Amino acid sequence: SQTIHQWPATLVQPVGSPLSLECTVEGTSNPNLYWYRQAAGRGLQLLFYSVGIGQISSEVPQNLSASRPQDRQFILSSKKLLLSDSGFYLCAWSLGPNTEAFFGQGTRLTVV
Amino acid sequence: QKEVEQDPGPLSVPEGAIVSLNCTYSNSAFQYFMWYRQYSRKGPELLMYTYSSGNKEDGRFTAQVDKSSKYISLFIRDSQPSDSATYLCAMSAGNQFYFGTGTSLTVIP
Repeated sequence: SQTIHQWPATLVQPVGSPLSLECTVEGTSNPNLYWYRQAAGRGLQLLFYSVGIGQISSEVPQNLSASRPQDRQFILSSKKLLLSDSGFYLCAWSLGPNTEAFFGQGTRLTVV
Repeated sequence: QKEVEQDPGPLSVPEGAIVSLNCTYSNSAFQYFMWYRQYSRKGPELLMYTYSSGNKEDGRFTAQVDKSSKYISLFIRDSQPSDSATYLCAMSAGNQFYFGTGTSLTVIP
């Protein structure tokens, strides 16, 4: 069966520090991968998605970037965090178009 | 206009009640419909999915899709305190997902 791992679960980082959140999927090949940010009362905001290695689509211009160095690995990064980057970050995967998405357990990031 | 509209609640019901959660959408290209349950500080968990109009039942949960009205529902029978969570509707078109903002549900023992 397929599983998704996302870490760390919580993170407190100072303003201006770098960020690296990692997500890996097991038990499937060539999944679509997604990074979302969830704000209270505002739903899920799509940040990046990838349909293959090295293929990244950015939905929102911001202080973040994403990379997919391996088929089942998706990384969310920032060179310098801002206070506004605080939030709950979720990684998800799907098998392809018009299929369901499966989420990781999320990372709660607090920038101080 | 948002592509997916969901009443945020909060919704509070007594244990054993039937709960009805609803979403409307505007994009007729949506092909796949999902419901997620999210506990506090956790990732969303897929509850049900369907790609056709009509009803789909799984235990105490029934998902209903009406494509002609662009309306989807999730019914929870015999609600339990463990059902207390936020419920998100979701739809997909191609590789993209579109989520409602979630409805907060509390089931009171």
